[in-house]
Amino acid sequence: QVQLVESGGGVVQPGRSLRLSCVASGFIFNNFGMHWVRQAPGKGLEWVAFISSDGSNKDYGKSVKGRFTISRDNSKNTLYLQMSSLTVEDTAVYYCARSSYRQLMPGDWFDPWGQGSQVTVSS
Amino acid sequence: DIQMTQSPSSLSASVGERVTITCRASQSITTYLNWYQHRPGKAPRLLIHVAGSLRSGVPSRFSGSGAGTDFTLTIRGLQPEDFATYYCQQTYSLPYTFGQGTKVAIK
Repeated sequence: QVQLVESGGGVVQPGRSLRLSCVASGFIFNNFGMHWVRQAPGKGLEWVAFISSDGSNKDYGKSVKGRFTISRDNSKNTLYLQMSSLTVEDTAVYYCARSSYRQLMPGDWFDPWGQGSQVTVSS
Repeated sequence: DIQMTQSPSSLSASVGERVTITCRASQSITTYLNWYQHRPGKAPRLLIHVAGSLRSGVPSRFSGSGAGTDFTLTIRGLQPEDFATYYCQQTYSLPYTFGQGTKVAIK
């Protein structure tokens, strides 16, 4: 079945870096754009980043732009989120989600989502 | 950024009841509005896309409607597995934004 599994979360000190991975299965990974979404404790969902199916186009939310990098390895069916200069405000559960399109398009929807990976930034 | 406002923020309902959740966008988003269900510790689940299209496999007791700035998610005949938090999301323009969520609890 179509599945996304995140990994790489953990506890990290402020200012440090962390890389999340999301392994896809059950569908042709290189046919779909991919998103990262996060949920801070007690908060709602926040869109983080998007990458097109071939990796050529990327977009970021304002709160992570310049610090986070989204990438993918289509040969490994894997999506990544490289997070740098982490702050306590980046503490959240991070979800990967499949786009409905190859490129960023209005009218997109996210389906499916992974179970999430917890990232805690704390000294 | 487009602001998405859901109401109510929480509600209590009994099994079998009809529940309505509304979502208002700060500007027109045509029908580029999705609804998700999120249970604690689980992956968020798409229910409705482009305002009124039911995702394959989602029970027909879920329905969505609306266009422009005002949207509604209706659950007819609430089931025990429906107690969760529901989010609307606009994908009209970046950054894609979500409502703050509506928690549906057992009365």
